[in-house]
Amino acid sequence: EDQVTQSPEALRLQEGESSSLNCSYTVSGLRGLFWYRQDPGKGPEFLFTLYSAGEEKEKERLKATLTKKESFLHITAPKPEDSATYLCAVHAYGGATNKLIFGTGTLLAVQP
Amino acid sequence: DTGVSQDPRHKITKRGQNVTFRCDPISEHNRLYWYRQTLGQGPEFLTYFQNEAQLEKSRLLSDRFSAERPKGSFSTLEIQRTEQGDSAMYLCASSGDSNQPQHFGDGTRLSIL
Repeated sequence: EDQVTQSPEALRLQEGESSSLNCSYTVSGLRGLFWYRQDPGKGPEFLFTLYSAGEEKEKERLKATLTKKESFLHITAPKPEDSATYLCAVHAYGGATNKLIFGTGTLLAVQP
Repeated sequence: DTGVSQDPRHKITKRGQNVTFRCDPISEHNRLYWYRQTLGQGPEFLTYFQNEAQLEKSRLLSDRFSAERPKGSFSTLEIQRTEQGDSAMYLCASSGDSNQPQHFGDGTRLSIL
């Protein structure tokens, strides 16, 4: 069964303290891995898509990387406005499905 | 690009009542998805439309749930005879070609009294 596991569940950082969030996945065949940011009471906001091992994407203080079994979201010198829940999702091969399978997310709090 | 729009943002209803939610996708997107999210969990897939055709339904979508997308534009999700366990955030997303990122609306939060 396709599965996505994110760690840690919660992470508290000081402003400027870099860290990484992990997303481990088990799928029959990976079509794409997606990172989203979700603020309280809002829908997920798209950040990155990664399609193959070795691929990297960057946006401001965020960098996403992908291996054959996991993805990392690196946060460099975070600011309080980076506080949010970060969700990882996979799109797997198989049938006509276009669904995303999400992890439970990492709740990030950045303190000034 | 005005984004995915959902209405209402909040719905409070009594157990046993019927509710209907609406989703307006990004105009050029032909794929539309419904997800459900409960507190502390990631979104869970409910159903998927390509244009007006409903191509996939999750086993989470009991026979009390029905979704439509007439003319391949907006979509509605109806829940009949609501139950306490239906309390959740109902999210709609849309995308263009297959494997393009899905863009989400801000959801409808359903509370069952």
